[in-house]
Amino acid sequence: AQSVTQLDSHVSVSEGTPVLLRCNYSSSYSPSLFWYVQHPNKGLQLLLKYTSAATLVKGINGFEAEFKKSETSFHLTKPSAHMSDAAEYFCVVSDSRNLIFGKGTKLSVKP
Amino acid sequence: EPEVTQTPSHQVTQMGQEVILRCVPISNHLYFYWYRQILGQKVEFLVSFYNNEISEKSEIFDDQFSVERPDGSNFTLKIRSTKLEDSAMYFCAGTLAGTSTDTQYFGPGTRLTVL
Repeated sequence: AQSVTQLDSHVSVSEGTPVLLRCNYSSSYSPSLFWYVQHPNKGLQLLLKYTSAATLVKGINGFEAEFKKSETSFHLTKPSAHMSDAAEYFCVVSDSRNLIFGKGTKLSVKP
Repeated sequence: EPEVTQTPSHQVTQMGQEVILRCVPISNHLYFYWYRQILGQKVEFLVSFYNNEISEKSEIFDDQFSVERPDGSNFTLKIRSTKLEDSAMYFCAGTLAGTSTDTQYFGPGTRLTVL
């Protein structure tokens, strides 16, 4: 069965410093992995996805994620946080036709 | 850019009442989904729908729930007799091809509050 584990429920960074949101996955075959972001009172927006092409995936708003099969990880990074990045981030694995979500990591950005 | 829309944004209902949550998917999408997120918990898959039939459903999607696409545009989720534990955010999503690599596009959600 597919699953994802987001290792931090809350991450706090200062504006301008790097962001690292951690995600580990479990899959019996080559997975499709996604990161979604949810801003307060908004829907889920796709940041990026991995589908077995390049292991380093670039997404919107300067985010990227690296698929590491040996570590079963798909961590989300951004070199420099912006105040507008404050939101909840979900690591997601695709289970054939539906999505399995992690518990989410709330990112706070301090001025 | 086309978007998925959902109405209402917030629905308050009494326990035991029926509610219908509505979604208008992106026009060329063929596969549709409902998910829910109870406050403080994970987003959970409820049901997928293709070609006017349910493709898959989770354990959550019991006989109290039903979905339909009556007019080829609106995609609805009906809860026949709401319970307190149905209070959650309900998200509609759609995809073009329905494959595991296909991106699901989500609506903004309907917050359902059952009193």
